[in-house]
Order: sequence, then structure tokens, then C-alpha cells
Amino acid sequence: QQQVRQSPQSLTVWEGETAILNCSYENSAFDYFPWYQQFPGEGPALLIAIRSVSDKKEDGRFTIFFNKREKKLSLHITDSQPGDSATYFCAASAQEGGSAKLIFGEGTKLTVSS
Amino acid sequence: EAAVTQSPRNKVTVTGGNVTLSCRQTNSHNYMYWYRQDTGHGLRLIHYSYGAGNLQIGDVPDGYKATRTTQEDFFLLLELASPSQTSLYFCASSAQGSTGQLYFGEGSKLTVL
Repeated sequence: QQQVRQSPQSLTVWEGETAILNCSYENSAFDYFPWYQQFPGEGPALLIAIRSVSDKKEDGRFTIFFNKREKKLSLHITDSQPGDSATYFCAASAQEGGSAKLIFGEGTKLTVSS
Repeated sequence: EAAVTQSPRNKVTVTGGNVTLSCRQTNSHNYMYWYRQDTGHGLRLIHYSYGAGNLQIGDVPDGYKATRTTQEDFFLLLELASPSQTSLYFCASSAQGSTGQLYFGEGSKLTVL
């Protein structure tokens, strides 16, 4: 059972457009949501993260929007660049209970065309 | 810069074979993780550890054993490999567990024929 779901599986945008990657989760106890970026042949790397007490987190061209009531979040990449072409993973964990498990979604493969 | 090194980077074995994937981190992190990555499933947690001698079961542990011999070294063991275990395996380390940044290695590609 996939606890963290992402959509779409793949996304193509033109250079300069805004890419929107979606994520949803099931477990209400999840309170920390990082996004990881993975380039071919490499391991994932942390891009940006948000905690459930916030509804928005910005870092340059990357913004997370978080809706706790609907258990949904999205990653917006503004002014997309060809170098942003990668696979993006949404992940979730619950701080309560001391769990050290980080659960990942299936990933969204983003292609930015020039 | 946090460093996680995996070996081997590529491994081919036959059904029923024994495989050991190795991971070493030089970050002085307490937490280490083994994930497998498959198309359509993303990254799935196999086993993880809080420290030397500690082992915690992840979400897809069947067919896998793991051992954390030191703070730096975490091994994943497949004692009777099956074709369903053909995958890309990633090791990661973290100072703060799941609510901190995970640092991933470059991956180990395993093919079971």
C-alpha cells in the first residue's frame, strides 16, 4: 500500500514555464515532507522540505504548497530550466513516536524542453 | 560534504546466489538506511539502523538481512537471491533520522538472472 502518492508520473514543460508536481499522503501523523531531486546515475539529494505547521515554503524558484486538511502538497518550479530535468520524489515522515522511517512516493520525471 | 560510498556499483548473480552490498559513511551519522528503487514504486525502505549493532525492519524486508557492524558500515545481505530482487539499491545516512537530511550514495545495480 503506497502511503505517499505522486502525480503525474512524468511531466514535460517548456523552458521558462512553471512545473507543478503533486503529492498526497494517507497517514495523518506525517508532519515532515521533504522533496528529493534525482539526476540519472546519481542518488537522490534533498531539494526543499516543509513541516506541517507551515503551509508554504520557498527556496528560490522552488516552492512547496501544503494543505493539511486535504493531505496534499505540491512542488512548484517557476522559470523552469533544462537543468531542472530530473526525477522528483515527495517523501513523508512522522516525528511523533520517534520513527526514523522516511516514506517516498513513486516519483515524477520532469523534462524541461528548450 | 557528507559522503556515502557503496560497493559494488554493479553486480550480476544467479538465482539462489549470495550477495552482499556494502555501504560506508564518513559523516559520523547515527542513522543509516537501505532502499531499493524500482520504476513505478519509487524508493522503498528495506532496513535501517540507529547505530552499531541496531537493526530496524523497513517496509519491504522479505528476502533481505542487514547488519550494522560499526557506526560507519551498514551491509545488506541477500542469501538466496531471486529475480524479483533485481533492482537499484541505495544506501543513505542521516544525523537526525527521518526528519533530517538523508545523504544518499550513488547506488548499486543488482541483476539476478
